[in-house]
Amino acid sequence: GAVVSQHPSWVICKSGTSVKIECRSLDFQATTMFWYRQFPKQSLMLMATSNEGSKATYEQGVEKDKFLINHASLTLSTLTVTSAHPEDSSFYICSARDSRDYYEQYFGPGTRLTVT
Amino acid sequence: GQNIDQPTEMTATEGAIVQINCTYQTSGFNGLFWYQQHAGEAPTFLSYNVLDGLEEKGRFSSFLSRSKGYSYLLLKELQMKDSASYLCAVSDSNYQLIWGAGTKLIIKP
Repeated sequence: GAVVSQHPSWVICKSGTSVKIECRSLDFQATTMFWYRQFPKQSLMLMATSNEGSKATYEQGVEKDKFLINHASLTLSTLTVTSAHPEDSSFYICSARDSRDYYEQYFGPGTRLTVT
Repeated sequence: GQNIDQPTEMTATEGAIVQINCTYQTSGFNGLFWYQQHAGEAPTFLSYNVLDGLEEKGRFSSFLSRSKGYSYLLLKELQMKDSASYLCAVSDSNYQLIWGAGTKLIIKP
């Protein structure tokens, strides 16, 4: 089956610093990747849709200058949380859609970010 | 607006059967997904329905009625490891997933 990896799986950073999270599709090409955030005991919240070679589309209320998304290749998208604050602490999950179909999103294992 | 409704929490007994319902109102429809999510982990795919009817896959089955905007996930022979959140998601006209808030399923011995 299709595999999506995320790195790092968890990260602790100090307030004010930036953190980069990588999302890779390992055995398929993904023209579209999605970034989600999930707070404890809440459902997934879509942050942005990332299309290879173009600018990401951000959901309402998500600051594009704070959450920088780059999708430079068909197998890699990155999310950079800039000037992180404790309220950015969350579980960040990426998913990727296989270029050959629109049917399913394959999820990465998630990255737990803690900002101290 | 777009809306997905599912119960917040359900409790069932090991070995029993449980049905988790999902109703939806979306702009367009390109299929309905059920995902399982254990605490602290990413969702894993369970099922996909795009046509009306029942899809069976082992202990899990999923049903769809497009005219009613309704789906359910049926779990049989419940095991303790089935304790998780179950997420209903609908693919809209733009193939974006619209997510329900999830149903936390608690299995008791």
